[in-house]
Amino acid sequence: NAGVMQNPRHLVRRRGQEARLRCSPMKGHSHVYWYRQLPEEGLKFMVYLQKENIIDESGMPKERFSAEFPKEGPSILRIQQVVRGDSAAYFCASSPGQGLSGYTFGSGTRLTVV
Amino acid sequence: GQQLNQSPQSMFIQEGEDVSMNCTSSSIFNTWLWYKQEPGEGPVLLIALYKAGELTSNGRLTAQFGITRKDSFLNISASIPSDVGIYFCAGQLSDGGSQGNLIFGKGTKLSVKP
Repeated sequence: NAGVMQNPRHLVRRRGQEARLRCSPMKGHSHVYWYRQLPEEGLKFMVYLQKENIIDESGMPKERFSAEFPKEGPSILRIQQVVRGDSAAYFCASSPGQGLSGYTFGSGTRLTVV
Repeated sequence: GQQLNQSPQSMFIQEGEDVSMNCTSSSIFNTWLWYKQEPGEGPVLLIALYKAGELTSNGRLTAQFGITRKDSFLNISASIPSDVGIYFCAGQLSDGGSQGNLIFGKGTKLSVKP
């Protein structure tokens, strides 16, 4: 009974490259949420998706960031043309339905931009 | 954006001591959550609170949802070395916005001296 799976655990990118972060929700969960955590900070909400739909992207930067959750496969958070300020831990959470019941976080992807 | 003020930022205590931390906000929340995060991992839910005034325990942990719905506290009794970690409060606003959008405090870093 695997939990929320995120990969890679660590990702190093040079400035200007693209970063792709993957999140496979728990079995039976169709809602996915992405958060960003800067060092010494709490998590900041980025985007909430259901299968094939973006429900709330109020926390997503307007440029370079995009997210998808296709019908098949994991959710992807994509960061184009990364900059040093994108270095952070990115966490995904999933839930079986709308609301907080069963809301579970993955172990995160640590992105370092050099 | 909305903010949760979490205090203290850090605590250094002796094993066996009790610990108390709290979160306050100028906004009204309909849910308060307390998480623990260990190095290199995602947040793990400790206690969830859904009603104003609610007092809930989970082993040595006790948390309360403030009557005003703008604050919450977490107590840990008789601390042990494995309590070390960063404790986050998180809340969901009552403004009818996205169901999955959690707002996090900046965390309380707990160190326990054996």
